[in-house]
Amino acid sequence: KQEVTQIPAALSVPEGENLVLNCSFTDSAIYNLQWFRQDPGKGLTSLLLIQSSQREQTSGRLNASLDKSSGRSTLYIAASQPGDSATYLCAVKVRGSGNTGKLIFGQGTTLQVKP
Amino acid sequence: DAGVIQSPRHEVTEMGQEVTLRCKPISGHNSLFWYRQTMMRGLELLIYFNNNVPIDDSGMPEDRFSAKMPNASFSTLKIQPSEPRDSAVYFCASSFEFMWDRGFSPLHFGNGTRLTVT
Repeated sequence: KQEVTQIPAALSVPEGENLVLNCSFTDSAIYNLQWFRQDPGKGLTSLLLIQSSQREQTSGRLNASLDKSSGRSTLYIAASQPGDSATYLCAVKVRGSGNTGKLIFGQGTTLQVKP
Repeated sequence: DAGVIQSPRHEVTEMGQEVTLRCKPISGHNSLFWYRQTMMRGLELLIYFNNNVPIDDSGMPEDRFSAKMPNASFSTLKIQPSEPRDSAVYFCASSFEFMWDRGFSPLHFGNGTRLTVT
């Protein structure tokens, strides 16, 4: 059974700092890995998606890496800003019944960036 | 596009009452997922549908939970009878052709229903 773990559970940093969020998964049979952002009282917004054959993806100040063989992914946020404060979740796409897919989520890292 | 629409946004009910959560997926999407989020367990997949057919309900915690998708534009998650431990935020998400071996098919989430059972 696939399990996704995120460390740390919470993180507080001063504005401007570069930071790394970690995600690990137990089964390397994934199709892709996604990083989501969740603001309080809101749904999830997709940030980055890395296919299993890729090593990293970048979007603005965000960079996500994937090491499928070791079951790890990191989300790097450069020059953090107070607006980055949110919960960040990683999710792996695994095979469901038949040929369907489903996302399995980690519990998230809650980030607070202090001005 | 209005996105995935969930109702109600908040639901407060007493233990033993029936609760029905509703979801309208994005038009054209044929995969629909129900998730539950709590502090203790994070986001758990309860059930998902493909082309209105339930594919995997192994995440449904108990027989008290049931989900239906009578057509492509509507789904319900029902809890009967509700218990305090069902208190959580319930999310619905939809996608187009969320198959195992298809490429980029993002999952779009609704804003959730916060359920409180007293």
